[in-house]
Amino acid sequence: EVKLVESGGGLVQPGGSLRLSCSASGFNFGIYWMSWVRQAPGKGLEWVANMNQYGTEKNYVDSVKGRFTISRDNAKKSLYLDMNSLRDEDTAVYYCARGEWELVWGQGAVVTVSS
Amino acid sequence: DIVLTQSPLSLPVTPGESASISCKSSQSLLHTNGYNYFDWYLQKPGQSPQLLIYLGSNRASGVPDRFSGSGSGTDFTLKISRVEAEDVGVYYCMQALHSRKTFGQGTKVDIK
Repeated sequence: EVKLVESGGGLVQPGGSLRLSCSASGFNFGIYWMSWVRQAPGKGLEWVANMNQYGTEKNYVDSVKGRFTISRDNAKKSLYLDMNSLRDEDTAVYYCARGEWELVWGQGAVVTVSS
Repeated sequence: DIVLTQSPLSLPVTPGESASISCKSSQSLLHTNGYNYFDWYLQKPGQSPQLLIYLGSNRASGVPDRFSGSGSGTDFTLKISRVEAEDVGVYYCMQALHSRKTFGQGTKVDIK
């Protein structure tokens, strides 16, 4: 069974930083693209970033470019999202997902940016 | 970036009847390999999204055959035949052809 478990969410002040982690199990992590998608309270889904199996291709939505960094450790079967210079509008549930399309989703981690 | 426009945004349905959701893309999602890089997802209340349809018309594992996806290029449709109470939630389309993926606004389906 594919399982993705996000961790690292929490409350952070505007301008602060946070690192989200996603632990994968039940599939060969090292051969899949991985993605982050977020959902602000009461809003729809917003694709945030993805990266290829080797870490050589990374893509970001414009609103996080230069502030967020996606990375992975295939040996640890883990995906990460380093978030810096956080803004109020980054408040959301952040989902880790397997794939570039045909996404399989984790349960999400809540990030709240507020003073 | 590619813009996906879903309609309707709200869809009350009667159990046993059929329902359709449209998603129109600002650019073609048809790759030169013949595949449309386009998915449908359902987010049930209080849950994470789940994959329903991938590459335009392929049902994901475990998805009932009352769900079907069709279309090509810029126009896509999700059809639910014989709607059941468990089908309520928000349906999203997503394009995956271009490096920066995008979702539609979502269509909320509930029971009349």
